[in-house]
Amino acid sequence: KQEVTQIPAALSVPEGENLVLNCSFTDSAIYNLQWFRQDPGKGLTSLLLIQSSQREQTSGRLNASLDKSSGRSTLYIAASQPGDSATYLCAVTGTASKLTFGTGTRLQVTL
Amino acid sequence: GAGVSQTPSNKVTEKGKYVELRCDPISGHTALYWYRQSLGQGPEFLIYFQGTGAADDSGLPNDRFFAVRPEGSVSTLKIQRTERGDSAVYLCASSPGGGAYEQYFGPGTRLTVT
Repeated sequence: KQEVTQIPAALSVPEGENLVLNCSFTDSAIYNLQWFRQDPGKGLTSLLLIQSSQREQTSGRLNASLDKSSGRSTLYIAASQPGDSATYLCAVTGTASKLTFGTGTRLQVTL
Repeated sequence: GAGVSQTPSNKVTEKGKYVELRCDPISGHTALYWYRQSLGQGPEFLIYFQGTGAADDSGLPNDRFFAVRPEGSVSTLKIQRTERGDSAVYLCASSPGGGAYEQYFGPGTRLTVT
């Protein structure tokens, strides 16, 4: 059974810092990995999708990497802003097509 | 074009009642997924449709939960004899197909069972 773990569970950083969120998964037989953002009481916003054949994806200040063989992904956020404050969820699509999510990292960017 | 929509956005019901939650996927998407998110947790898979049929219903917690997609578009998640433990946000996603396609999520339905 696929298990996804995210570390840290919560993180507080001052504005302007670069930061890294970590995600690990136990079964490397995946189609892809997605990073989502979730604001309190809201739905999921897809940030980046990395296919299993890819090593990384970039969008603006966000960069996600994937090391499928070791079961790890990182989300790098450059020059953090207060508007980046949210919960970040990592999820993998396995051979059964369903997404398996981690429990998320709650990020607070302070002024 | 329009994204995934879900109705209602909020539903409050009494313990023991029956509820229906609706999902309208992106037009043309053959795959549709239901997930449930409890407070402080990541979403958990419930059921996956490919067209009209349930390709994987292994995440449904018990036989009080049932979902249909009769015409391969709109889906309804049905919960009988609701319990307080059913309180959660129910999320729907659709994709052009199964497997490696990206899943696009709706805003969710917040269900509260009193």
